[in-house]
Amino acid sequence: GENVEQHPSTLSVQEGDSAVIKCTYSDSASNYFPWYKQELGKRPQLIIDIRSNVGEKKDQRIAVTLNKTAKHFSLHITETQPEDSAVYFCAAARIRQAGTALIFGKGTTLSVSS
Amino acid sequence: EAEVAQSPRYKITEKSQAVAFWCDPISGHATLYWYRQILGQGPELLVQFQDESVVDDSQLPKDRFSAERLKGVDSTLKIQPAELGDSAMYLCASSSREGKTNEQFFGPGTRLTVL
Repeated sequence: GENVEQHPSTLSVQEGDSAVIKCTYSDSASNYFPWYKQELGKRPQLIIDIRSNVGEKKDQRIAVTLNKTAKHFSLHITETQPEDSAVYFCAAARIRQAGTALIFGKGTTLSVSS
Repeated sequence: EAEVAQSPRYKITEKSQAVAFWCDPISGHATLYWYRQILGQGPELLVQFQDESVVDDSQLPKDRFSAERLKGVDSTLKIQPAELGDSAMYLCASSSREGKTNEQFFGPGTRLTVL
């Protein structure tokens, strides 16, 4: 089955710096890669996702890149702000007719200090 | 904005007792997922429903866990008997099969503590 590795487990940056979180996956059939943000005590929320037919996607300060050959994808946050502090999870899945069960990485705790 | 609802938000029980969690997905979402999130880790899928049918329960410990979605709307996850290792956050999520999005919307979770 699919296995997702996520690094680093913790990341501390200064406000305004960039942050990069990397994930690798094992199942070459996976074709959907979402990133979720989970603030302390709150539910995970989707911040950006990418399908395997696209190499890069950007939404304001957040971007995701995908390398299908190497089976890895990364989250890039630019101009970080204190409110970006949270746990970030990557996930991988195969899109199926009956739904898309996600396999999550172990998470990265991002701390942005002002 | 519509959200996934879960109850209770917190549950404390003693080992060997039975517990049940309830989830109400976003209206019209055909797919419902139950995930377990152990502290410090990512969510792990327990069971997936499409309407009232189980699509994937390969990771559900069936000797003690059961899940149902009888009318294809809300769902219940039960543990009997609870064990110390079951202490975790139980998250419910739902997604629509309409449109081009695959986004899963998560509920607030039920935090289970087994003493």
